[in-house]
Amino acid sequence: DGGITQSPKYLFRKEGQNVTLSCEQNLNHDAMYWYRQDPGQGLRLIYYSQIVNDFQKGDIAEGYSVSREKKESFPLTVTSAQKNPTAFYLCASSIRRGATYEQYFGPGTRLTVT
Amino acid sequence: AQSVTQLGSHVSVSEGALVLLRCNYSSSVPPYLFWYVQYPNQGLQLLLKYTTGATLVKGINGFEAEFKKSETSFHLTKPSAHMSDAAEYFCAVSAWNSGGSNYKLTFGKGTLLTVNP
Repeated sequence: DGGITQSPKYLFRKEGQNVTLSCEQNLNHDAMYWYRQDPGQGLRLIYYSQIVNDFQKGDIAEGYSVSREKKESFPLTVTSAQKNPTAFYLCASSIRRGATYEQYFGPGTRLTVT
Repeated sequence: AQSVTQLGSHVSVSEGALVLLRCNYSSSVPPYLFWYVQYPNQGLQLLLKYTTGATLVKGINGFEAEFKKSETSFHLTKPSAHMSDAAEYFCAVSAWNSGGSNYKLTFGKGTLLTVNP
């Protein structure tokens, strides 16, 4: 089955540590995205990548970094510079269907930093 | 810039009752609109989308939405709620960048639907 895998489902870290969240897709989609979800705030875009070796900042990129070395993979690093990293993180990929890009989401990683 | 506003962060209905979730958009260009559903601790799943053409769009699980340009709305409805419909629902609009592509979506803050037995 094709889909998006995010691991782990739950992640716990101490304050001051960097942490990398994994996102892998086997849908052969070109574009990939990272969102952060907090209660009552909807989804906010952190980074997105339209093609391999290229990515752009979203609305809340500060304290985060990404890489896109392979089409299938788009890992997100939450650095110690992120002031409030505890959140639910969603990875997505998209494919063009007609005039629009349909985004497909992974199951998410819940990060807790204490 | 494009944006969406979802009216009501929490909607509660009885099983079998009409479901109505409200979404209004703001866009300087013809909008492409989406509804997604999220079950607890899961990712989002596309319910339906509007691009052009027929303004009444049918989606999965018996949901539909009507695009009303005059009201800048894209409300989501279902005639009869089922317990399994309890979830959070997000309205989204395609966001166009300066390069003329619409890879990005701008999401509303979500509406939590509760279905009472």
